[in-house]
This record gives sequence, C-alpha cells and structure tokens, in this order.
Amino acid sequence: SQTIHQWPATLVQPVGSPLSLECTVEGTSNPNLYWYRQAAGRGLQLLFYSVGIGQISSEVPQNLSASRPQDRQFILSSKKLLLSDSGFYLCAWTGVGAGTEAFFGQGTRLTVV
Amino acid sequence: AQKITQTQPGMFVQEKEAVTLDCTYDTSDQSYGLFWYKQPSSGEMIFLIYQGSYDEQNATEGRYSLNFQKARKSANLVISASQLGDSAMYFCAMREGTGNQFYFGTGTSLTVIP
Repeated sequence: SQTIHQWPATLVQPVGSPLSLECTVEGTSNPNLYWYRQAAGRGLQLLFYSVGIGQISSEVPQNLSASRPQDRQFILSSKKLLLSDSGFYLCAWTGVGAGTEAFFGQGTRLTVV
Repeated sequence: AQKITQTQPGMFVQEKEAVTLDCTYDTSDQSYGLFWYKQPSSGEMIFLIYQGSYDEQNATEGRYSLNFQKARKSANLVISASQLGDSAMYFCAMREGTGNQFYFGTGTSLTVIP
C-alpha cells in the first residue's frame, strides 16, 4: 500500500535561517506531488506541485522553493525564513487523472521566531 | 477567480441532526473531480467523499453524501446524524482533468453541539 512520510512534525526556526522540509512517498511510481501551506485557521494554499523529477510548478511567488531530486521525494526549502513563513505545511500525492484523491502527510508545524 | 468557494466559515449543528456544508466551484473543463476532506484539530487530512463530473448519481459514503448540482456548479456535503466526533474543519477540493493542480477552498469549521 502507499504511504507518505513528512518530517519533521514540528519546527521552530529563527528569522533568517534556512529551511528544508522533506516528503517521501512509498508504494507508488511517478506520483504528482504537492506542497500546501495552511495559516492558522485558514484554508490550504497550494505552493508547488510536481509531475516528475526536476519538474516544479510554482503557484505563488514567495520566499520558498521546491525540488524533486527523486521520483518519490519532494523537498521544500528556503534560504532565509521570514516571520510570514510560519504555518502548517502539508505534503500530498495523487495519481494520474481527475478522479484520484490526494493523500496527505501528517504535516509540519513551522514557527518562525 | 477562486476555483473553490466555501462561504460558511463556521457552522453549528445539534448532535444527531443533519448539516449541509456549501461548496461552489469554477472550471471550464468538462472532466473534473470534486472531493471533500475533514481536518480534525490534529491537522491530518482525511478524505471523505468523491464526485466525478460525469457521475449522474450523487456520491454517498456512510453518513456522508454529496449534493452535486452541475448546472449550478455546486457540490455540497451533507452529513447526516451528526456526531461529536464530526467537529472539525471541512474542505472542498477540485481537480481538473486538464491540469495537475489540486485546489482547496478556505474551509468550514463545523461544531457539533451535544
């Protein structure tokens, strides 16, 4: 069966420090991968998605970047965190086709101080 | 324009009653999928129900049903016989057939009152 791992679960980082969040998927090949951010009490904002290795689409220009070095690995990064980067980050994967649901990781609560 | 609109930031329902959570969507694709997710306070995203754009019957999954009105572009979630454990955020989402994006609405916070 397919599983998705996302870590760390919580993170407290100072302003100006770098960020690296990792997400890996098991049990499937060539998944579509997504990074979302959820501000406190808000909806899910799509940040990046990827349909294949090295292919990254950005939905919102910002302080963050994403990379997909391997088929089932998706990384969210920042060189210098801002206070506004605080939030709940969720990684998700889907198969191909409009009828396939998204499966989510457990999320990372990032607090920038 | 917003792809998914959820106009109810918060809803209250009495235990054992039914509740409808509203969702409208915007797409020019003929093929698309509509989804509902539940997010309890733990933060995990739990898939509830799916409706395809070509499905003629409304989807049902246990106490969840999706009231799909294609002409009005609405996909409301109906929860019957509410339970205390239903208290959570609920998100409507859409995936278009021509793209890879998975869009979510802003969510509705549901509180079930004993």
